[in-house]
Amino acid sequence: DIQMTQSPSSLSASVGDRVTITCRTSQSINNNLNWYQQRPEKAPRLLISAAYTLISGVPSRFSGSGSGTDFTLTISSLQAEDFATYFCQQAHSVPYTFGQGTKLEI
Amino acid sequence: EVHLVESGGALVHPGRSLRLSCATSGFSFGDYAMTWVRQAPGRGLEWVGFIRSKPYSGATEYAASVKGRFTISRDDSKSIAYLQMNSLKTEDTAVYYCILPWDYWGQGTLVTVSS
Repeated sequence: DIQMTQSPSSLSASVGDRVTITCRTSQSINNNLNWYQQRPEKAPRLLISAAYTLISGVPSRFSGSGSGTDFTLTISSLQAEDFATYFCQQAHSVPYTFGQGTKLEI
Repeated sequence: EVHLVESGGALVHPGRSLRLSCATSGFSFGDYAMTWVRQAPGRGLEWVGFIRSKPYSGATEYAASVKGRFTISRDDSKSIAYLQMNSLKTEDTAVYYCILPWDYWGQGTLVTVSS
Protein backbone atom coordinates (compact mmCIF):
# COMPACT_ATOMS: atom_id res chain seq x y z
CA ASP A 1 0.00 0.00 0.00
CA ILE A 2 1.10 3.56 -0.66
CA GLN A 3 1.66 5.47 2.58
CA MET A 4 0.77 9.13 2.79
CA THR A 5 2.58 11.58 5.04
CA GLN A 6 0.83 14.93 5.27
CA SER A 7 2.21 17.85 7.23
CA PRO A 8 1.64 19.77 9.31
CA SER A 9 -1.23 18.12 11.17
CA SER A 10 -2.41 21.54 12.29
CA LEU A 11 -1.59 25.08 11.35
CA SER A 12 -2.47 28.42 12.88
CA ALA A 13 -2.70 31.31 10.46
CA SER A 14 -4.45 34.62 9.87
CA VAL A 15 -6.56 36.07 7.12
CA GLY A 16 -4.26 37.19 4.32
CA ASP A 17 -1.50 34.71 5.12
CA ARG A 18 0.08 32.43 2.56
CA VAL A 19 0.06 28.81 3.72
CA THR A 20 1.55 25.63 2.38
CA ILE A 21 0.59 22.05 3.15
CA THR A 22 2.75 19.18 2.01
CA CYS A 23 2.05 15.56 1.20
CA ARG A 24 4.66 12.89 0.63
CA THR A 25 3.97 9.42 -0.72
CA SER A 26 5.95 6.25 -0.04
CA GLN A 27 6.38 5.59 -3.76
CA SER A 28 5.96 7.52 -6.96
CA ILE A 29 2.40 8.22 -7.97
CA ASN A 30 3.25 10.39 -10.97
CA ASN A 31 0.75 13.24 -10.63
CA ASN A 32 -2.19 11.15 -9.36
CA LEU A 33 -2.85 13.25 -6.30
CA ASN A 34 -6.01 15.03 -5.18
CA TRP A 35 -6.54 17.71 -2.54
CA TYR A 36 -9.76 18.14 -0.58
CA GLN A 37 -11.21 20.69 1.81
CA GLN A 38 -13.56 19.56 4.56
CA ARG A 39 -15.58 21.89 6.76
CA PRO A 40 -17.10 20.57 10.01
CA GLU A 41 -20.03 18.22 9.51
CA LYS A 42 -19.70 18.46 5.72
CA ALA A 43 -18.51 16.09 3.03
CA PRO A 44 -15.04 16.68 1.58
CA ARG A 45 -14.87 18.97 -1.42
CA LEU A 46 -12.41 18.31 -4.23
CA LEU A 47 -10.18 21.32 -4.76
CA ILE A 48 -7.38 20.09 -6.99
CA SER A 49 -7.01 16.95 -9.05
CA ALA A 50 -4.00 15.45 -10.78
CA ALA A 51 -1.68 17.41 -8.51
CA TYR A 52 -2.29 20.86 -10.02
CA THR A 53 -5.61 21.00 -11.90
CA LEU A 54 -7.94 23.44 -10.17
CA ILE A 55 -11.51 22.19 -10.05
CA SER A 56 -14.14 24.45 -11.59
CA GLY A 57 -15.52 26.91 -9.08
CA VAL A 58 -12.55 26.70 -6.72
CA PRO A 59 -10.95 30.11 -6.08
CA SER A 60 -7.66 30.76 -7.82
CA ARG A 61 -5.90 31.41 -4.51
CA PHE A 62 -5.67 27.61 -4.23
CA SER A 63 -2.89 25.94 -6.18
CA GLY A 64 -1.18 22.58 -6.23
CA SER A 65 2.23 21.45 -7.35
CA GLY A 66 4.51 18.45 -7.34
CA SER A 67 4.90 15.07 -8.93
CA GLY A 68 6.41 11.74 -8.07
CA THR A 69 6.41 11.60 -4.28
CA ASP A 70 6.27 15.21 -3.09
CA PHE A 71 3.28 17.49 -3.40
CA THR A 72 2.17 20.85 -2.12
CA LEU A 73 -1.11 22.68 -1.65
CA THR A 74 -0.74 26.44 -1.38
CA ILE A 75 -3.35 29.00 -0.40
CA SER A 76 -1.98 32.34 -1.51
CA SER A 77 -4.05 34.65 0.69
CA LEU A 78 -6.21 33.04 3.33
CA GLN A 79 -9.84 34.01 3.55
CA ALA A 80 -12.12 33.38 6.52
CA GLU A 81 -13.93 30.58 4.70
CA ASP A 82 -10.66 28.69 4.15
CA PHE A 83 -10.34 27.66 7.79
CA ALA A 84 -11.09 23.96 7.51
CA THR A 85 -9.33 20.61 7.32
CA TYR A 86 -7.41 19.64 4.19
CA PHE A 87 -6.64 16.14 2.97
CA CYS A 88 -4.44 14.78 0.22
CA GLN A 89 -5.26 11.50 -1.52
CA GLN A 90 -3.40 9.31 -3.94
CA ALA A 91 -5.50 8.09 -6.86
CA HIS A 92 -2.68 6.09 -8.41
CA SER A 93 -3.33 2.59 -7.17
CA VAL A 94 -5.63 0.54 -5.00
CA PRO A 95 -6.03 0.86 -2.09
CA TYR A 96 -6.48 4.57 -2.55
CA THR A 97 -5.11 6.25 0.54
CA PHE A 98 -5.55 9.61 2.22
CA GLY A 99 -3.26 11.81 4.21
CA GLN A 100 -4.01 12.26 7.90
CA GLY A 101 -5.33 15.78 7.36
CA THR A 102 -4.22 19.32 8.17
CA LYS A 103 -6.49 21.40 10.37
CA LEU A 104 -6.12 25.05 9.46
CA GLU A 105 -7.06 27.27 12.36
CA ILE A 106 -7.13 30.95 13.10
CA GLU B 1 -26.63 18.62 -11.82
CA VAL B 2 -25.09 15.58 -10.16
CA HIS B 3 -26.71 14.39 -6.93
CA LEU B 4 -25.70 11.55 -4.66
CA VAL B 5 -27.85 10.69 -1.64
CA GLU B 6 -26.84 7.99 0.80
CA SER B 7 -29.33 6.27 3.07
CA GLY B 8 -29.56 3.28 5.35
CA GLY B 9 -27.26 4.34 8.16
CA ALA B 10 -28.33 3.14 11.60
CA LEU B 11 -27.26 1.95 15.03
CA VAL B 12 -26.55 -1.77 14.90
CA HIS B 13 -25.05 -4.38 17.20
CA PRO B 14 -21.68 -5.97 16.46
CA GLY B 15 -21.98 -8.95 14.17
CA ARG B 16 -25.11 -7.70 12.46
CA SER B 17 -25.58 -6.59 8.86
CA LEU B 18 -26.63 -3.37 7.20
CA ARG B 19 -27.11 -2.24 3.62
CA LEU B 20 -26.44 1.32 2.53
CA SER B 21 -27.87 2.80 -0.64
CA CYS B 22 -26.63 5.63 -2.81
CA ALA B 23 -29.31 7.10 -5.05
CA THR B 24 -27.91 9.14 -7.90
CA SER B 25 -29.10 11.52 -10.58
CA GLY B 26 -27.72 14.01 -13.07
CA PHE B 27 -25.30 11.75 -14.92
CA SER B 28 -25.23 8.52 -16.90
CA PHE B 29 -24.83 6.20 -13.93
CA GLY B 30 -24.08 3.08 -15.95
CA ASP B 31 -21.01 4.65 -17.51
CA TYR B 32 -19.14 5.31 -14.25
CA ALA B 33 -17.41 3.52 -11.43
CA MET B 34 -18.75 4.30 -7.97
CA THR B 35 -16.71 4.48 -4.80
CA TRP B 36 -17.36 4.33 -1.06
CA VAL B 37 -15.22 6.15 1.50
CA ARG B 38 -15.75 6.30 5.25
CA GLN B 39 -14.74 8.58 8.07
CA ALA B 40 -14.74 7.49 11.70
CA PRO B 41 -15.84 10.21 14.16
CA GLY B 42 -13.12 12.83 14.49
CA ARG B 43 -10.80 10.83 12.23
CA GLY B 44 -9.47 10.88 8.69
CA LEU B 45 -10.80 9.40 5.49
CA GLU B 46 -10.57 5.73 4.56
CA TRP B 47 -11.28 4.32 1.11
CA VAL B 48 -13.67 1.36 1.43
CA GLY B 49 -13.96 0.13 -2.13
CA PHE B 50 -15.36 0.67 -5.59
CA ILE B 51 -17.33 -0.99 -8.34
CA ARG B 52 -16.46 -0.54 -11.98
CA SER B 53 -19.05 0.13 -14.63
CA LYS B 54 -20.50 -2.82 -16.54
CA PRO B 55 -18.45 -2.02 -19.70
CA TYR B 56 -15.42 -2.56 -17.46
CA SER B 57 -16.75 -5.82 -16.06
CA GLY B 58 -18.47 -4.31 -13.03
CA ALA B 59 -15.59 -5.66 -10.98
CA THR B 60 -15.06 -4.61 -7.38
CA GLU B 61 -12.07 -3.78 -5.22
CA TYR B 62 -12.03 -3.46 -1.43
CA ALA B 63 -9.86 -2.22 1.38
CA ALA B 64 -8.23 -4.99 3.38
CA SER B 65 -10.14 -3.90 6.48
CA VAL B 66 -13.50 -4.75 4.89
CA LYS B 67 -12.67 -7.42 2.33
CA GLY B 68 -14.79 -10.51 2.82
CA ARG B 69 -17.34 -8.64 4.93
CA PHE B 70 -18.49 -5.80 2.67
CA THR B 71 -19.91 -6.07 -0.85
CA ILE B 72 -20.50 -3.24 -3.29
CA SER B 73 -23.12 -3.70 -5.99
CA ARG B 74 -25.04 -1.56 -8.44
CA ASP B 75 -28.42 -1.39 -10.11
CA ASP B 76 -27.90 0.54 -13.31
CA SER B 77 -31.65 0.50 -14.08
CA LYS B 78 -32.28 2.48 -10.88
CA SER B 79 -29.00 4.46 -10.81
CA ILE B 80 -28.30 3.19 -7.30
CA ALA B 81 -25.12 1.85 -5.74
CA TYR B 82 -25.18 -0.34 -2.64
CA LEU B 83 -22.82 -1.19 0.17
CA GLN B 84 -23.74 -4.43 1.92
CA MET B 85 -21.96 -4.64 5.27
CA ASN B 86 -21.89 -7.96 7.12
CA SER B 87 -20.26 -9.04 10.37
CA LEU B 88 -20.05 -5.44 11.49
CA LYS B 89 -17.45 -4.46 14.06
CA THR B 90 -17.28 -1.48 16.40
CA GLU B 91 -14.42 -0.13 14.30
CA ASP B 92 -16.77 0.13 11.32
CA THR B 93 -18.49 3.04 13.05
CA ALA B 94 -18.20 5.95 10.62
CA VAL B 95 -19.92 8.27 8.22
CA TYR B 96 -20.05 6.49 4.87
CA TYR B 97 -19.80 8.55 1.70
CA CYS B 98 -20.77 7.53 -1.79
CA ILE B 99 -18.63 9.13 -4.48
CA LEU B 100 -18.59 9.64 -8.21
CA PRO B 101 -14.83 9.75 -8.30
CA TRP B 102 -13.57 12.12 -7.24
CA ASP B 103 -15.54 15.27 -7.86
CA TYR B 104 -18.93 14.42 -6.43
CA TRP B 105 -19.64 13.23 -2.88
CA GLY B 106 -22.90 12.51 -1.14
CA GLN B 107 -23.71 14.03 2.23
CA GLY B 108 -22.86 10.79 4.01
CA THR B 109 -24.81 8.44 6.24
CA LEU B 110 -23.81 7.50 9.79
CA VAL B 111 -23.32 3.89 10.77
CA THR B 112 -22.84 3.22 14.46
CA VAL B 113 -21.85 -0.26 15.58
CA SER B 114 -22.27 -0.66 19.30
CA SER B 115 -23.67 -3.08 21.81
